[in-house]
Amino acid sequence: KQEVTQIPAALSVPEGENLVLNCSFTDSAIYNLQWFRQDPGKGLTSLLLIQSSQREQTSGRLNASLDKSSGRSTLYIAASQPGDSATYLCAVMDTDKLIFGTGTRLQVFP
Amino acid sequence: DAGVIQSPRHEVTEMGQEVTLRCKPISGHNSLFWYRQTMMRGLELLIYFNNNVPIDDSGMPEDRFSAKMPNASFSTLKIQPSEPRDSAVYFCATSLGGNGYTFGSGTRLTVV
Repeated sequence: KQEVTQIPAALSVPEGENLVLNCSFTDSAIYNLQWFRQDPGKGLTSLLLIQSSQREQTSGRLNASLDKSSGRSTLYIAASQPGDSATYLCAVMDTDKLIFGTGTRLQVFP
Repeated sequence: DAGVIQSPRHEVTEMGQEVTLRCKPISGHNSLFWYRQTMMRGLELLIYFNNNVPIDDSGMPEDRFSAKMPNASFSTLKIQPSEPRDSAVYFCATSLGGNGYTFGSGTRLTVV
């Protein structure tokens, strides 16, 4: 059974820092991996999608990497801003359904 | 495209009542998923459909829960009878061939 773990569970940093959020999964036979952002009381917003054949994806200040063989993905956030404060969720596509991690709650203070 | 549309946004109901949550997928997306999110358990997959056919309902917690997708434009998740422990945010998500999921804004259900 696929299990997805995210570390750390919570993170509080000053504005301007570069951040790394970690995601690990137990079964490397995944189709893709997706990072989401969730603001309090809101839905999920897709940030980056990495296909199983890819190593990384970039969007603005965000960069996500994927190492299938080791069962790991990282989300790198450059020059963090208070507006980045949210919960970040990693999800792997296992056959044709997404399995979610428990998330990293990020707070960036001015 | 208006994205995945869920209704209602909020629902407060009394224990024992029937609750129906609705989802309109993105046009052309052939997979639809119902998730439940709670503080204790995070996001749990309840059931998903592929081309309107239920594929896996192993996440449906009890027989009180049922889901239908009568056509490609509409799906419902029904709870009958509802219980306080069903209180959660219910999300609908859709995708096309697994190429990324799009989530609706969710329905916050409170059963008192």
